[in-house]
Amino acid sequence: AQSVTQLDSHVSVSEGTPVLLRCNYSSSYSPSLFWYVQHPNKGLQLLLKYTSAATLVKGINGFEAEFKKSETSFHLTKPSAHMSDAAEYFCVVTLFSGGYNKLIFGAGTRLAVHP
Amino acid sequence: DSGVTQTPKHLITATGQRVTLRCSPRSGDLSVYWYQQSLDQGLQFLIQYYNGEERAKGNILERFSAQQFPDLHSELNLSSLELGDSALYFCASSGAHYGYTFGSGTRLTVV
Repeated sequence: AQSVTQLDSHVSVSEGTPVLLRCNYSSSYSPSLFWYVQHPNKGLQLLLKYTSAATLVKGINGFEAEFKKSETSFHLTKPSAHMSDAAEYFCVVTLFSGGYNKLIFGAGTRLAVHP
Repeated sequence: DSGVTQTPKHLITATGQRVTLRCSPRSGDLSVYWYQQSLDQGLQFLIQYYNGEERAKGNILERFSAQQFPDLHSELNLSSLELGDSALYFCASSGAHYGYTFGSGTRLTVV
């Protein structure tokens, strides 16, 4: 069965320092993986997606994620945090069942950025 | 603007009432998904429609129903509302671009 685990419910960093949000997945086949961001009182915005092309995926706002099959991980990183990055981040894996794709969401990681 | 439009943005209603949430998918997307986001349950998949037909059901209560119309917009109907139904309801659409685009959500408050 497909599932996704976000290893940290809260991450706190200082502005200008690197960001690492961890995500592990389990899947019986090559998955498609996504990271979404949700700012307070806003909808979900796609940051980046992995669909079996390059293992290092670059997204918007300077974020990137690396697909590591051997570690079943898809961690999200950013070299230098900005105050505007404070939000909740969701790692998502697709489940293909019954002829259709369904998104499986992680529990989310809340990122706080301090001056 | 993601291209997925949800109305209304906010809704306050009393217990026992019925409400309808509306979603217009991105142009060309045939699939519409509904999700509920609450503090205690996180993001829960409710239901999916593809080109007017129900494709998959998730954790959707019997008091809730949905449909997708010929113009591909979708409505989520919530009836006999309870306090616990207060949540953010998201609609997402997907198509050939193999991405899922979310609307900004409808915040439902049941009082």
